[in-house]
Amino acid sequence: ETGVTQSPTHLIKTRGQQVTLRCSSQSGHNTVSWYQQALGQGPQFIFQYYREEENGRGNFPPRFSGLQFPNYSSELNVNALELDDSALYLCASSLRESGNTIYFGEGSWLTVV
Amino acid sequence: AQSVTQLGSHVSVSEGALVLLRCNYSSSVPPYLFWYVQYPNQGLQLLLKYTTGATLVKGINGFEAEFKKSETSFHLTKPSAHMSDAAEYFCAVSVWGGADGLTFGKGTHLIIQP
Repeated sequence: ETGVTQSPTHLIKTRGQQVTLRCSSQSGHNTVSWYQQALGQGPQFIFQYYREEENGRGNFPPRFSGLQFPNYSSELNVNALELDDSALYLCASSLRESGNTIYFGEGSWLTVV
Repeated sequence: AQSVTQLGSHVSVSEGALVLLRCNYSSSVPPYLFWYVQYPNQGLQLLLKYTTGATLVKGINGFEAEFKKSETSFHLTKPSAHMSDAAEYFCAVSVWGGADGLTFGKGTHLIIQP
């Protein structure tokens, strides 16, 4: 158990729809990041939030957006879903000042049909 | 920017044999290095990490890895494989502050033969 919880665990959406995935960070962690893991691939960094502000972003289009709340929980929003967005979405939390140990949740499986 | 190369998408060893999973990295600044394990339909579990200091790092479940700067490598080893070690293993690199997140390799699927 890493203390990072994600919801929902599985969902199916139609192409063009919007989706919101949620993450609750490990207690005391002030940094949350999101990763996309396509089937058979390593996770790809989407973006990171530190103290409610985005402070790093990978090579993902603007239709991928996020929020971090005062309690350090987070949301990942994806608009205009495409079939290639089907993947496991992983949330990770860390305490920025502690040396980059990053703990992952179990992930949310998104299928776009 | 950083990158990670994991040599061998699949590695098969016999139960009780040495496990060696290879990882090479590229980083323009001193790296932080990680090994994660992923069991089927689960998230990522941290096995071990290197930040600074001792280059031989011990992790959970009997795994260890050695940071070799001259070879830009961070290979993962375990002296004796167990059936429960069968999983996907990912090597990852980041830098202090981690604003670019973790950069992962493509993973190595470890198969344990009885």
